[in-house]
Amino acid sequence: DVKVTQSSRYLVKRTGEKVFLECVQDMDHENMFWYRQDPGLGLRLIYFSYDVKMKEKGDIPEGYSVSREKKERFSLILESASTNQTSMYLCASSLGQGVGEQFFGPGTRLTVL
Amino acid sequence: GEDVEQSLFLSVREGDSSVINCTYTDSSSTYLYWYKQEPGAGLQLLTYIFSNMDMKQDQRLTVLLNKKDKHLSLRIADTQTGDSAIYFCAESFGGSQGNLIFGKGTKLSVKP
Repeated sequence: DVKVTQSSRYLVKRTGEKVFLECVQDMDHENMFWYRQDPGLGLRLIYFSYDVKMKEKGDIPEGYSVSREKKERFSLILESASTNQTSMYLCASSLGQGVGEQFFGPGTRLTVL
Repeated sequence: GEDVEQSLFLSVREGDSSVINCTYTDSSSTYLYWYKQEPGAGLQLLTYIFSNMDMKQDQRLTVLLNKKDKHLSLRIADTQTGDSAIYFCAESFGGSQGNLIFGKGTKLSVKP
Protein backbone atom coordinates (compact mmCIF):
# COMPACT_ATOMS: atom_id res chain seq x y z
CA ASP A 1 0.00 0.00 0.00
CA VAL A 2 1.11 3.52 -0.74
CA LYS A 3 1.87 5.44 2.36
CA VAL A 4 2.06 9.21 2.55
CA THR A 5 3.03 10.58 5.93
CA GLN A 6 3.05 14.11 7.22
CA SER A 7 5.29 15.23 10.04
CA SER A 8 2.59 16.59 12.32
CA ARG A 9 -1.18 16.15 12.69
CA TYR A 10 -1.59 19.39 14.63
CA LEU A 11 0.66 22.43 14.81
CA VAL A 12 0.29 25.77 16.57
CA LYS A 13 2.59 28.62 15.58
CA ARG A 14 2.81 32.34 16.17
CA THR A 15 2.51 35.07 13.56
CA GLY A 16 5.86 35.72 11.89
CA GLU A 17 7.36 32.30 12.66
CA LYS A 18 8.92 30.20 9.93
CA VAL A 19 7.00 26.95 9.59
CA PHE A 20 8.09 23.69 7.93
CA LEU A 21 5.60 21.02 6.95
CA GLU A 22 7.17 17.76 5.86
CA CYS A 23 5.69 15.06 3.65
CA VAL A 24 7.20 11.68 2.82
CA GLN A 25 5.93 9.01 0.42
CA ASP A 26 7.28 5.48 0.17
CA MET A 27 6.18 4.41 -3.31
CA ASP A 28 8.78 6.10 -5.52
CA HIS A 29 6.18 8.47 -6.98
CA GLU A 30 7.38 11.19 -9.32
CA ASN A 31 4.69 13.73 -8.50
CA MET A 32 4.02 15.39 -5.17
CA PHE A 33 1.51 18.06 -4.22
CA TRP A 34 0.63 20.45 -1.41
CA TYR A 35 -2.95 21.61 -0.94
CA ARG A 36 -4.73 23.61 1.67
CA GLN A 37 -8.33 22.85 2.57
CA ASP A 38 -10.71 25.43 3.96
CA PRO A 39 -14.45 25.13 4.63
CA GLY A 40 -16.50 26.05 1.59
CA LEU A 41 -13.40 26.42 -0.60
CA GLY A 42 -12.47 22.77 -1.08
CA LEU A 43 -8.87 21.88 -1.94
CA ARG A 44 -6.64 24.55 -3.39
CA LEU A 45 -3.30 23.64 -4.90
CA ILE A 46 -0.36 25.54 -3.45
CA TYR A 47 2.65 23.96 -5.19
CA PHE A 48 3.50 20.73 -6.91
CA SER A 49 6.64 18.96 -8.02
CA TYR A 50 7.05 16.40 -10.82
CA ASP A 51 10.70 15.59 -10.17
CA VAL A 52 13.50 16.11 -7.69
CA LYS A 53 14.45 19.80 -7.44
CA MET A 54 11.55 20.73 -9.73
CA LYS A 55 8.64 22.80 -8.50
CA GLU A 56 5.66 24.50 -10.06
CA LYS A 57 3.28 27.06 -8.62
CA GLY A 58 -0.28 26.02 -8.10
CA ASP A 59 -3.28 28.29 -7.69
CA ILE A 60 -2.30 29.98 -4.42
CA PRO A 61 1.51 30.01 -4.00
CA GLU A 62 1.76 33.41 -2.33
CA GLY A 63 3.29 33.22 1.13
CA TYR A 64 4.60 29.69 0.58
CA SER A 65 7.69 28.01 -0.81
CA VAL A 66 8.62 24.36 -1.28
CA SER A 67 11.65 22.14 -1.38
CA ARG A 68 12.19 18.75 -2.99
CA GLU A 69 15.76 17.62 -2.46
CA LYS A 70 14.92 13.91 -2.46
CA LYS A 71 12.30 12.07 -4.47
CA GLU A 72 10.40 10.82 -1.43
CA ARG A 73 10.23 14.11 0.47
CA PHE A 74 8.37 17.33 -0.30
CA SER A 75 8.47 20.19 2.18
CA LEU A 76 6.17 23.17 2.42
CA ILE A 77 7.62 26.29 4.00
CA LEU A 78 5.75 29.27 5.37
CA GLU A 79 8.45 31.94 5.48
CA SER A 80 6.55 34.19 7.89
CA ALA A 81 3.33 32.64 9.10
CA SER A 82 0.19 34.76 9.16
CA THR A 83 -3.23 34.14 10.70
CA ASN A 84 -4.81 33.71 7.25
CA GLN A 85 -2.61 30.64 6.77
CA THR A 86 -4.50 28.82 9.50
CA SER A 87 -5.82 25.82 7.61
CA MET A 88 -5.67 22.08 6.99
CA TYR A 89 -2.68 21.22 4.80
CA LEU A 90 -2.79 18.06 2.72
CA CYS A 91 0.10 16.44 0.93
CA ALA A 92 -0.40 13.99 -1.94
CA SER A 93 1.70 11.96 -4.35
CA SER A 94 1.07 10.21 -7.64
CA LEU A 95 2.82 8.09 -10.23
CA GLY A 96 3.44 9.95 -13.47
CA GLN A 97 1.49 7.41 -15.53
CA GLY A 98 -1.45 5.03 -15.45
CA VAL A 99 -4.67 5.92 -13.67
CA GLY A 100 -3.01 8.94 -12.15
CA GLU A 101 -4.80 8.88 -8.82
CA GLN A 102 -3.32 10.91 -6.01
CA PHE A 103 -2.62 9.36 -2.64
CA PHE A 104 -3.09 11.64 0.32
CA GLY A 105 -1.47 11.97 3.70
CA PRO A 106 -3.59 12.42 6.85
CA GLY A 107 -3.23 16.21 6.85
CA THR A 108 -1.70 18.78 9.18
CA ARG A 109 -4.04 21.17 10.93
CA LEU A 110 -2.04 24.38 11.35
CA THR A 111 -3.19 27.18 13.63
CA VAL A 112 -1.37 30.51 13.47
CA LEU A 113 -2.01 32.74 16.47
CA GLY B 1 -10.70 27.58 -17.05
CA GLU B 2 -11.20 24.07 -15.80
CA ASP B 3 -13.78 23.71 -13.09
CA VAL B 4 -15.52 20.93 -11.22
CA GLU B 5 -18.81 21.67 -9.48
CA GLN B 6 -20.83 19.71 -6.98
CA SER B 7 -23.48 20.53 -4.44
CA LEU B 8 -22.18 21.11 -0.92
CA PHE B 9 -24.61 19.07 1.19
CA LEU B 10 -26.73 15.92 0.96
CA SER B 11 -28.75 14.32 3.73
CA VAL B 12 -30.25 10.83 3.52
CA ARG B 13 -31.73 8.22 5.84
CA GLU B 14 -29.87 5.04 6.65
CA GLY B 15 -30.75 2.33 4.16
CA ASP B 16 -31.70 4.75 1.37
CA SER B 17 -29.60 5.33 -1.74
CA SER B 18 -27.44 8.43 -1.98
CA VAL B 19 -26.67 10.12 -5.28
CA ILE B 20 -23.91 12.70 -5.42
CA ASN B 21 -23.65 14.68 -8.65
CA CYS B 22 -20.76 16.49 -10.26
CA THR B 23 -20.20 18.48 -13.44
CA TYR B 24 -16.82 19.11 -15.01
CA THR B 25 -15.55 21.19 -17.88
CA ASP B 26 -12.45 19.53 -19.34
CA SER B 27 -13.70 17.19 -22.05
CA SER B 28 -10.18 15.80 -22.54
CA SER B 29 -10.01 14.31 -19.03
CA THR B 30 -8.86 10.72 -19.25
CA TYR B 31 -10.04 9.66 -15.81
CA LEU B 32 -12.59 10.93 -13.35
CA TYR B 33 -12.40 10.11 -9.67
CA TRP B 34 -14.40 9.99 -6.49
CA TYR B 35 -12.60 10.53 -3.20
CA LYS B 36 -13.94 10.19 0.34
CA GLN B 37 -12.76 12.24 3.31
CA GLU B 38 -13.73 11.19 6.81
CA PRO B 39 -13.56 13.75 9.62
CA GLY B 40 -10.01 14.79 10.47
CA ALA B 41 -8.45 12.59 7.79
CA GLY B 42 -6.93 12.90 4.35
CA LEU B 43 -8.70 11.98 1.12
CA GLN B 44 -9.02 8.35 0.13
CA LEU B 45 -9.70 7.21 -3.42
CA LEU B 46 -13.09 5.46 -3.57
CA THR B 47 -13.30 4.69 -7.25
CA TYR B 48 -12.46 6.05 -10.67
CA ILE B 49 -13.83 5.71 -14.18
CA PHE B 50 -12.07 5.81 -17.52
CA SER B 51 -13.52 8.42 -19.84
CA ASN B 52 -14.56 5.90 -22.50
CA MET B 53 -16.84 4.10 -20.04
CA ASP B 54 -20.30 5.20 -19.06
CA MET B 55 -20.79 3.09 -15.96
CA LYS B 56 -18.73 1.33 -13.34
CA GLN B 57 -20.05 -0.72 -10.45
CA ASP B 58 -18.12 -1.73 -7.36
CA GLN B 59 -20.17 -3.38 -4.61
CA ARG B 60 -22.47 -0.64 -3.23
CA LEU B 61 -20.97 2.04 -5.45
CA THR B 62 -22.15 2.89 -8.97
CA VAL B 63 -20.48 5.57 -11.04
CA LEU B 64 -22.30 6.98 -14.05
CA LEU B 65 -20.56 9.15 -16.63
CA ASN B 66 -22.37 11.24 -19.25
CA LYS B 67 -19.60 12.65 -21.42
CA LYS B 68 -21.95 14.64 -23.61
CA ASP B 69 -23.24 16.61 -20.61
CA LYS B 70 -19.93 16.37 -18.70
CA HIS B 71 -21.83 14.93 -15.76
CA LEU B 72 -20.54 12.38 -13.26
CA SER B 73 -22.52 10.81 -10.45
CA LEU B 74 -21.80 8.49 -7.53
CA ARG B 75 -24.60 6.33 -6.21
CA ILE B 76 -24.19 4.62 -2.85
CA ALA B 77 -26.73 1.86 -2.30
CA ASP B 78 -28.02 1.01 1.20
CA THR B 79 -26.28 4.02 2.73
CA GLN B 80 -24.89 3.44 6.21
CA THR B 81 -23.93 5.87 8.98
CA GLY B 82 -20.30 5.00 8.25
CA ASP B 83 -20.74 6.55 4.80
CA SER B 84 -21.09 9.99 6.41
CA ALA B 85 -18.15 11.95 5.00
CA ILE B 86 -17.21 14.54 2.41
CA TYR B 87 -17.11 13.22 -1.15
CA PHE B 88 -14.93 14.90 -3.74
CA CYS B 89 -15.26 14.59 -7.47
CA ALA B 90 -12.03 15.14 -9.47
CA GLU B 91 -10.94 15.15 -13.08
CA SER B 92 -7.48 14.60 -14.50
CA PHE B 93 -5.93 17.70 -15.94
CA GLY B 94 -3.93 15.82 -18.49
CA GLY B 95 -0.24 15.07 -18.89
CA SER B 96 2.20 13.09 -16.78
CA GLN B 97 2.40 15.72 -14.05
CA GLY B 98 -0.70 14.19 -12.52
CA ASN B 99 -2.65 17.32 -11.73
CA LEU B 100 -6.23 16.79 -10.69
CA ILE B 101 -8.98 19.37 -10.47
CA PHE B 102 -11.16 18.81 -7.42
CA GLY B 103 -14.70 19.92 -6.71
CA LYS B 104 -15.41 21.60 -3.39
CA GLY B 105 -16.83 18.42 -1.92
CA THR B 106 -20.31 17.21 -0.96
CA LYS B 107 -20.90 16.59 2.73
CA LEU B 108 -23.07 13.50 3.08
CA SER B 109 -24.99 13.18 6.34
CA VAL B 110 -26.68 9.85 7.04
CA LYS B 111 -29.47 9.93 9.60
CA PRO B 112 -30.30 6.73 11.52
